[in-house]
Amino acid sequence: GAVVSQHPSRVICKSGTSVKIECRSLDFQATTMFWYRQFPKQSLMLMATSNEGSKATYEQGVEKDKFLINHASLTLSTLTVTSAHPEDSSFYICSARDTSIYGYTFGSGTRLTVV
Amino acid sequence: QQQVKQSPQSLIVQKGGIPIINCAYENTAFDYFPWYQQFPGKGPALLIAIRPDVSEKKEGRFTISFNKSAKQFSLHIMDSQPGDSATYFCAASIVGSNYKLTFGKGTLLTVNP
Repeated sequence: GAVVSQHPSRVICKSGTSVKIECRSLDFQATTMFWYRQFPKQSLMLMATSNEGSKATYEQGVEKDKFLINHASLTLSTLTVTSAHPEDSSFYICSARDTSIYGYTFGSGTRLTVV
Repeated sequence: QQQVKQSPQSLIVQKGGIPIINCAYENTAFDYFPWYQQFPGKGPALLIAIRPDVSEKKEGRFTISFNKSAKQFSLHIMDSQPGDSATYFCAASIVGSNYKLTFGKGTLLTVNP
């Protein structure tokens, strides 16, 4: 089945630094990927939709200059949290759409802690 | 405006019981309804999904019931096991587009031994 690899699984960074999270579709091409943020005991909150070769579409209230998304190839999308602050600490999850079977496959998530 | 309403928020059953989780949607354009299972610290994993042309779909111990006229769908877990203890999310989307998934708020299921 479709597999999405997300790295790193955990990262701790200092306040003010930037962190990059990678999301790769391993056995299918994903023209569209999605980035979510999840707070403890809450549902997934869509941050942005990433389309290969074009600018990402951000959801209302998400700062695009803070959460930089790049989808340069059909198998890779990256999320960079710039100038991270403790309030950016969260669980970030990517998802890719496999158009051959119509389904959304999720990565294993990245736990970001900003200290 | 919450487009997919999920209930209950939490559910506790005994091993072998049949937990039922319900979802209701508002957007009649939705035509793809998946259920996801999420363990702590992991990403959601697809359990089962249904399209509105059928009223029921079964895969192993998991069954989706779908009522198009009521705009409701539910997940039934047969012969539940402690290993099924997780958070379950229903979702909805539109086939044929890059439309985003709209998630319910989730149900924390605990299956006691």
